[in-house]
Amino acid sequence: EIVLTQSPATLSLSPGERATLSCGASQSVRSSYLAWYQQKPGLAPRLLIFDASTRATGIPDRFSGSGSGTDFTLTISRLEPEDFAVYYCQHYGSLITFGQGTRLEIK
Amino acid sequence: QVQLVQSGAEVKKPGSSVKVSCKASGDTFRNYAINWVRQAPGQGLEWMGGIIPIFGTTNYAPDFQGRITITADDFTTTAYMELSSLKSEDTAVYFCARNSLPAAMLVYFENWGQGTLVTVSS
Repeated sequence: EIVLTQSPATLSLSPGERATLSCGASQSVRSSYLAWYQQKPGLAPRLLIFDASTRATGIPDRFSGSGSGTDFTLTISRLEPEDFAVYYCQHYGSLITFGQGTRLEIK
Repeated sequence: QVQLVQSGAEVKKPGSSVKVSCKASGDTFRNYAINWVRQAPGQGLEWMGGIIPIFGTTNYAPDFQGRITITADDFTTTAYMELSSLKSEDTAVYFCARNSLPAAMLVYFENWGQGTLVTVSS
């Protein structure tokens, strides 16, 4: 089972700033089978990125994913007010695991 | 557009079982895996398992083996997740989730149900 560790646990930024969220895997992720989700209170998660760097349908281009092997990054180029939420990374392809989440809060 | 609609909230006693449903509409039900993910209050996401209706094959997370049963009814386009021997730690919101890759189980999730709160309390 691949363990995913997200950092930081909480990120405090202002609208318009750039956000960089990290996801580290305990072993190499095959074929970059890594996804990112956004979750707001009381709602289901929303898929942002799959295969490490492919944006899901309807996701704004300010969201981008990168990385391979054991180190992955979600970047939000210029934060909009609606981007403040919790973000999770997910490994798939074998047993599915999620990171513990990064809370992106308004500074 | 796929829609997943789940059954309503449940309150259960420790040691009992709960069965949550997830009705899919919008495209061919049997071709796409339905997975279940839960979220304890204030906690992260935890994958529980999934089923591919066309094959009836299931895949369960090790932490739930022996306690979880996932089934699918092609006629009603509904998937079910039953969890037995409930403990207070099973109190969580349970989500069903799906993707658009035919017959692919262990993938990312494009579509989610609204979630079902299961409370386990004596």
